[in-house]
Amino acid sequence: ETGVTQTPRHLVMGMTNKKSLKCEQHLGHNAMYWYKQSAKKPLELMFVYSLEERVENNSVPSRFSPECPNSSHLFLHLHTLQPEDSALYLCASSQDLSGIYNEQFFGPGTRLTVL
Amino acid sequence: KQEVTQIPAALSVPEGENLVLNCSFTDSAIYNLQWFRQDPGKGLTSLLLIQSSQREQTSGRLNASLDKSSGRSTLYIAASQPGDSATYLCAPFRGGFKTIFGAGTRLFVKA
Repeated sequence: ETGVTQTPRHLVMGMTNKKSLKCEQHLGHNAMYWYKQSAKKPLELMFVYSLEERVENNSVPSRFSPECPNSSHLFLHLHTLQPEDSALYLCASSQDLSGIYNEQFFGPGTRLTVL
Repeated sequence: KQEVTQIPAALSVPEGENLVLNCSFTDSAIYNLQWFRQDPGKGLTSLLLIQSSQREQTSGRLNASLDKSSGRSTLYIAASQPGDSATYLCAPFRGGFKTIFGAGTRLFVKA
């Protein structure tokens, strides 16, 4: 595997379910990101991790819970979601958070549908 | 707060045309700017990264320029092909762990 991978690629869940999205990067990077992309809206940054420590949380509802057990893996735990949370969830990584090495590489995304 | 505008929002051209996609941003204190391509329902593919000290970057038929002082970047696509059809996004990086994305330009190249 190379680059950034995400699983599952598609997920349908009810509002009372609990599920997790997984992201893995094979680039040796130290920073990882979760983004949300809703229809007809720009990408929204949700969480940023650097060296497994969360450094950014853009006022994301608590029903989204990130976890970064090591610099290669990032999870997004989901519970009691709302239909408006249906979106494409994208994971990205970069070498670090400095300006020079901040080129971001994205995974293919997880298409989430909340019924 | 950084605001990013991409013009045009959508573009439909015949194959073979040279194209210009524009990106403007309000906060010129950026470290770099990245151009991405996104196919429908897919992730983003990095096309070019321009550091704030650079004026332009080239990759194949793509050339991106950056005028940091005026808050503008331009992506040139030479000799467009149907395979170039996608949404093109620009993202100026200002620091503070934030990359702000534009809404994108949807490009359709007709065969």
